[in-house]
Formats: sequence, structure tokens, C-alpha cells
Amino acid sequence: EIVMTQSPATLSVSPGERATLSCRASQSVSSNLAWYQQKPGQAPRLLIYGASTRATGIPARFSGSGSGTEFTLTISSLQSEDFAVYYCQQYNNWPPTWTFGQGTKVEIK
Amino acid sequence: QLQLQESGPGLVKPSETLSLTCTVSGGSISSSSYYWGWIRQPPGKGLEWIGSIYYSGSTYYNPSLKSRVTISVDTSKNQFSLKLSSVTAADTAVYYCARWEEGFDPWGQGTLVTVSS
Repeated sequence: EIVMTQSPATLSVSPGERATLSCRASQSVSSNLAWYQQKPGQAPRLLIYGASTRATGIPARFSGSGSGTEFTLTISSLQSEDFAVYYCQQYNNWPPTWTFGQGTKVEIK
Repeated sequence: QLQLQESGPGLVKPSETLSLTCTVSGGSISSSSYYWGWIRQPPGKGLEWIGSIYYSGSTYYNPSLKSRVTISVDTSKNQFSLKLSSVTAADTAVYYCARWEEGFDPWGQGTLVTVSS
């Protein structure tokens, strides 16, 4: 079973600053990695798939990078609406399985 | 625009079976290349993938829940369903349904299921 580990658990950032979130897989997942944003009381929203492709309607300040076991989500200049919890998630081709990381909370510094 | 909506009892007794349905609108559940999934989130905790069903009907489950989970699809109603047996308080969570192509998107709004006597 592939385990996804996110760091840090909480990230305190001032508006306008850059935020860098990390996600590590216990074994290679190639580029089968997605990132989601979740705000309180809402369903998660897909931000990034294929490790680096922004989903439809996602602002350019969100970017994803990495492959294999190390991945990064970068928010270039934090806006007030970006304070939320972010999850990474891997997809294994065969047999198809999905695993989420435990989440990183981005809070206002 | 594709939309998903979860429905089912909000309260289930311990040892009983949790049953939820996801109704898909704005598109066909039989469309090729999509998986349809169930994900849950205990209060204040992270996301856990429960299982997925391919448009062809093939099912895939989280190994930690596999013995208790059944996912099925009803193409005539454009719905897919989740059954989780022998529930305990640890199964209390918001349950989401979602479509997978290259990411889970879109998601339903989620439904809270509480396991309590």
C-alpha cells in the first residue's frame, strides 16, 4: 500500500507571500499525483492533476511539480481565499487505488 | 455541467449497514474512461478513499475496508451506490461521491452519516 506523507502539517503564511507544500510517496507513483483544496464545510476542489497540470479554472498562482516520490504545490502569492487545507493524492494504475495525504493547513500568519 | 448528489440516511445504528446513493446529472454514468468513487472524511480529519467503480462495472476497494464495502452502479437511473456493512462509530463521517478522470472532479456536496444507537 502506498502511503502519502505531507509536510508541514500547518503552514503559517502572510497574504502575498509564497507557500510551498510538500508531499512524499512511499514508493514511486510516476506523475499520478493530484492536489486538492478544501475549505471548511465544502467538498474538496481539484487544483492540479498529473503532478503539474492545473485543472479548469484554477488560477496560475497555483503550480505543481515533481515526479516519482517527491512532489510540491506552490502558491506564488497567497490571496485571502487561499487559506484552506490542501491534500495530495496518488493514483496507482494497477490495480487502481487512490490514497490521500493527511493534509496541510495553510493559515494566516 | 456534471453534478453529483449523495443521498441516504443520516443516522445508522452500530452493526448495521450504511447505504448511500450518488445521483449523477448533466452527463451519463456510462461514459467511457471514467471511474466513479466514494471518499469519506471523519469530523475534523482527512480524506479516505473508500472505493471506485469503473464505467464497465469493475470495482476497486480500499484494502482496509474491502471486507465491508460494496459499490454498484444502476445505469438506468444514472446512479451508483455504496454499502458499508457492520458499521461502528469509527465510520461516522461525511461521505462524498466524485468522478475520476485524471483527478476526482467534480464532487458531490457530501452527506454526514452518524453511527449511533
